Amino acid sequence: EAGVVQSPRYKIIEKKQPVAFWCNPISGHNTLYWYRQNLGQGPELLIRYENEEAVDDSQLPKDRFSAERLKGVDSTLKIQPAELGDSAVYLCASSFRGNTIYFGEGSWLTVV
Amino acid sequence: QKEVEQNSGPLSVPEGAIASLNCTYSDRGSQSFFWYRQYSGKSPELIMSIYSNGDKEDGRFTAQLNKASQYVSLLIRDSQPSDSATYLCAVTPRGGSTLGRLYFGRGTQLTVWP
Repeated sequence: EAGVVQSPRYKIIEKKQPVAFWCNPISGHNTLYWYRQNLGQGPELLIRYENEEAVDDSQLPKDRFSAERLKGVDSTLKIQPAELGDSAVYLCASSFRGNTIYFGEGSWLTVV
Repeated sequence: QKEVEQNSGPLSVPEGAIASLNCTYSDRGSQSFFWYRQYSGKSPELIMSIYSNGDKEDGRFTAQLNKASQYVSLLIRDSQPSDSATYLCAVTPRGGSTLGRLYFGRGTQLTVWP
């Protein structure tokens, strides 16, 4: 069974440029998460979807971050414009009804 | 604010020893507790979950939970060099809008030397 798939794995952009990350969750998993992990820190939740509905986005910096999950499957996380402090690993994860959470390999963002 | 505290380490043990990793949490209503292992440059991987007070064993791993003390630990017996990684403690809150959210500690870096 395929795990959580993310792309791109690595991205280097200049500040003020936009960037987007894509996630395909495990088949059948209705809950999808986007986490951000800074170096030396644990992951922090940005947004959680139940099917296509964002049910927990209190930690998402809405001035520059946006996310969508069309049709309740794949999801995209966008940053526009990117800032130096956005350099981090963006982890997508999924679960079935909030049970065990499985992470993807992550998208490593460097803003220069 | 739901805080999860871990000693960042590094924790260094010889091969074959017992590694003990500790975690405390601030939300007394936390319901579920997890240990994730994260190798350098990789994503977190679930290794243990525990939901009730006491011990839970899975192979060389034992998770211990004490809700009264708001404390959860992970013991790794017969430590191997392949256990060298960062171990993340994570908890889920009581419920409400944050149900399903995982709160992570910053992780403890473990090194097992041959």
